Amino acid sequence: DTAVSQTPKYLVTQMGNDKSIKCEQNLGHDTMYWYKQDSKKFLKIMFSYNNKELIINETVPNRFSPKSPDKAHLNLHINSLELGDSAVYFCASSPDLYSPLHFGNGTRLTVT
Amino acid sequence: KQEVTQIPAALSVPEGENLVLNCSFTDSAIYNLQWFRQDPGKGLTSLLLIQSSQREQTSGRLNASLDKSSGRSTLYIAASQPGDSATYLCAVTRGGGSEKLVFGKGTKLTVNP
Repeated sequence: DTAVSQTPKYLVTQMGNDKSIKCEQNLGHDTMYWYKQDSKKFLKIMFSYNNKELIINETVPNRFSPKSPDKAHLNLHINSLELGDSAVYFCASSPDLYSPLHFGNGTRLTVT
Repeated sequence: KQEVTQIPAALSVPEGENLVLNCSFTDSAIYNLQWFRQDPGKGLTSLLLIQSSQREQTSGRLNASLDKSSGRSTLYIAASQPGDSATYLCAVTRGGGSEKLVFGKGTKLTVNP
């Protein structure tokens, strides 16, 4: 039983395309996150949702748009992909803002 | 701006050794500190969470300490095993919650049989 699942695991696409990454958690958590891990291995927060409401939007280009249809899902849409968007994107969830995070296995995005 | 540094960047030890991973952070005004493990191609697994009011946390062969005033944390792994091989990341959060964890780059640990 996968707690936090992301699809797809690998995504290879060309510059200029629009793509989506899906995330679902079956833990009943109220808070979900998107993190980006770049080539230098730094993990940085992108977005955080609590009870379907956006509470953090870091300095991420507006080509990135999160969508939370319900508490169990937080999808990431990326428009007009650029080479610099190549990274591993991790979804995570937590019961609330004060508890440890549970991470998905990541989506490796490669933009050519 | 909070910065988290982990030393060493990589560590290779023989099986059975006790080892220490180091983490330092520049802003001591943290809410909590977490240690994670990242396996290749996998997500992160939370190992230990230390609240700012605590000095240490233990889970099995793992012990994490926190010295908030000096901006340091250590992760002690006793009797290391090949299965411990992974990248270990330290992360701190400011304010009331985990909504804005700041991560270090991690220490890549290899335990040789």
